[in-house]
Amino acid sequence: KAGVTQTPRYLIKTRGQQVTLSCSPISGHRSVSWYQQTPGQGLQFLFEYFSETQRNKGNFPGRFSGRQFSNSRSEMNVSTLELGDSALYLCASSLLGSQETQYFGPGTRLLVL
Amino acid sequence: KQEVTQIPAALSVPEGENLVLNCSFTDSAIYNLQWFRQDPGKGLTSLLLIQSSQREQTSGRLNASLDKSSGRSTLYIAASQPGDSATYLCAVPESGGSNYKLTFGKGTLLTVNP
Repeated sequence: KAGVTQTPRYLIKTRGQQVTLSCSPISGHRSVSWYQQTPGQGLQFLFEYFSETQRNKGNFPGRFSGRQFSNSRSEMNVSTLELGDSALYLCASSLLGSQETQYFGPGTRLLVL
Repeated sequence: KQEVTQIPAALSVPEGENLVLNCSFTDSAIYNLQWFRQDPGKGLTSLLLIQSSQREQTSGRLNASLDKSSGRSTLYIAASQPGDSATYLCAVPESGGSNYKLTFGKGTLLTVNP
């Protein structure tokens, strides 16, 4: 069974631009979560989707948004990029949610210049 | 609000040594606890998930224990190898009604020297 895939793997953007990251979960998994990882803050929860519905959202500004499609693939969008948005963005999938084993993708490394 | 702490932040050991990584959490009303491994610049790999009703969970050379009442978990690695070098993270689902996110510790960076 294929694992969680994330595209693109690396991205360089400039301040003020916007970016869209994609996550394809393991086949059959309906829950997709997104996390931001930085050296200073560690892993921080962004949001979680299940069957196209956002069930939980972390403490991030409205510039961070996401969605999930009917095939469970998910995208997250960051508008008006800031230098502090530079991070590794990870998505995780599971059958039903955080009470199960989470399977993480390799991440998208975003650098904002 | 759940807080997860991992001690030590970094650990360096010679090959073959047995070692223990620690994880503590502030809210003992957890559903489960997961241990992950992260290699530099990579995603997380799930190692063990231990349910709140369990005391221990084992996979190969790894053994995780959970003491909910004291808010602690340990990950025991037997006969460490250089390939075990990585950052180890523990995580718990958010307590309360919304169990849809994990709260992570900052991790323990393990270096196993040949």
